[in-house]
Amino acid sequence: QKEVEQNSGPLSVPEGAIASLNCTYSDRGSQSFFWYRQYSGKSPELIMSIYSNGDKEDGRFTAQLNKASQYVSLLIRDSQPSDSATYLCAVKNAGGTSYGKLTFGQGTILTVHP
Amino acid sequence: EPEVTQTPSHQVTQMGQEVILRCVPISNHLYFYWYRQILGQKVEFLVSFYNNEISEKSEIFDDQFSVERPDGSNFTLKIRSTKLEDSAMYFCASRVSGRAGLDTQYFGPGTRLTVL
Repeated sequence: QKEVEQNSGPLSVPEGAIASLNCTYSDRGSQSFFWYRQYSGKSPELIMSIYSNGDKEDGRFTAQLNKASQYVSLLIRDSQPSDSATYLCAVKNAGGTSYGKLTFGQGTILTVHP
Repeated sequence: EPEVTQTPSHQVTQMGQEVILRCVPISNHLYFYWYRQILGQKVEFLVSFYNNEISEKSEIFDDQFSVERPDGSNFTLKIRSTKLEDSAMYFCASRVSGRAGLDTQYFGPGTRLTVL
């Protein structure tokens, strides 16, 4: 069973702080990693994708990937109250019978308080 | 910007009834998916569809479920005889390609299915 694990939180940070969200995965052959944001009652919305070891930055967001440790993280700089949501880590499993399905973690609830 | 659309947004049905959830994927996308999310739980894969056939399905996707792409734009999920435990948000997703960098899945707004 291919698993994706996240700390469910809630993670509470003050406005302007850095929020750090973490995710581990079990399928060592995984190659594509995604962070989605989900507001209550809404669908997952893509924040970032990452494919190579290291950091990838997009505005206030930085994704980090370490395939050796099977670890993905998301940093949100200058957190805003509008960032309050559930953050979903998703992993596209390696080949074989997989046609690109995503395996999701349970999500981390982030609250940014003014 | 192109979006995945889903109808209806909310469907209420009686146990044992058939429901059809509809999706219009992004027009140049080739791979289509259904996921579901039971309230308070994680998003779970149901089925993937490529080249007019099911490419993979999960254990959840039993004989009560079927998918179809009846024309060039719609992608449907049918549940033949709904159970109480089918109550969930159902999300349709699509992507352009399997290649890294083009394999992002874009999700529709979801259909909330309530089985009474």
